[in-house]
Amino acid sequence: QSALTQSPSASGSPGQSVTISCTGTSSDVGGYNYVSWYQQHPGKAPKLMIYEVSKRPSGVPDRFSGSKSGNTASLTVSGLQAEDEADYYCSSYAGSNNFRVFGTGTKVTVL
Amino acid sequence: EVQLVESGGGLVQPGGSLRLSCAASGFTFSHYWMSWARQAPGKGLEWLANINQDGSEKDYLGSVKGRFTISRDNAKNSLYVQMNSLGVEDTAVYYCARDFVGASLDYWGRGTLVTVSS
Repeated sequence: QSALTQSPSASGSPGQSVTISCTGTSSDVGGYNYVSWYQQHPGKAPKLMIYEVSKRPSGVPDRFSGSKSGNTASLTVSGLQAEDEADYYCSSYAGSNNFRVFGTGTKVTVL
Repeated sequence: EVQLVESGGGLVQPGGSLRLSCAASGFTFSHYWMSWARQAPGKGLEWLANINQDGSEKDYLGSVKGRFTISRDNAKNSLYVQMNSLGVEDTAVYYCARDFVGASLDYWGRGTLVTVSS
């Protein structure tokens, strides 16, 4: 099972929006509505930001939103803030035996 | 407050073994599936294995199946992974995490570093 493909970097100025894409196949992203997104600051544990494509866990600002079209999922961060600067990873269920695959990661920089 | 604290990492020689532990608190541990994941230095995340509430169901990433064994002790609120035949490619920070809906992981520990080197 190959990692999901994410662009290595994305950037935006404070207040702007940035969208990160996550491309998989019909066996993972395209086959299930089980896409998650994680935020990871340097040296810290990952934090769940989005689950089941577009749902936000309690406490995650509504500036974070998720969507999916075909084999590609997207995370949009609106109203960028300095604390949003981090690495973001997507993840998808990939069928058999509870398998899940992560994306290659995108570094978001707030200019 | 949900807390997951990993321990047991360190330096091990290629071919060696290591057992990692994860102490859980702040939630009813026995009610949740639990997972192990890892992150090699400067690399992305990789899910390794998970285990159901009573330990009767376990699933593994193909590349670690047969070498890693996940287990749990609900009386001790603890999750474990026994890692055998370690190679340099297993060098990573190892995280335990709580399974949530839709194959997501809603809480993660801070990780423990495993270095495989001679």
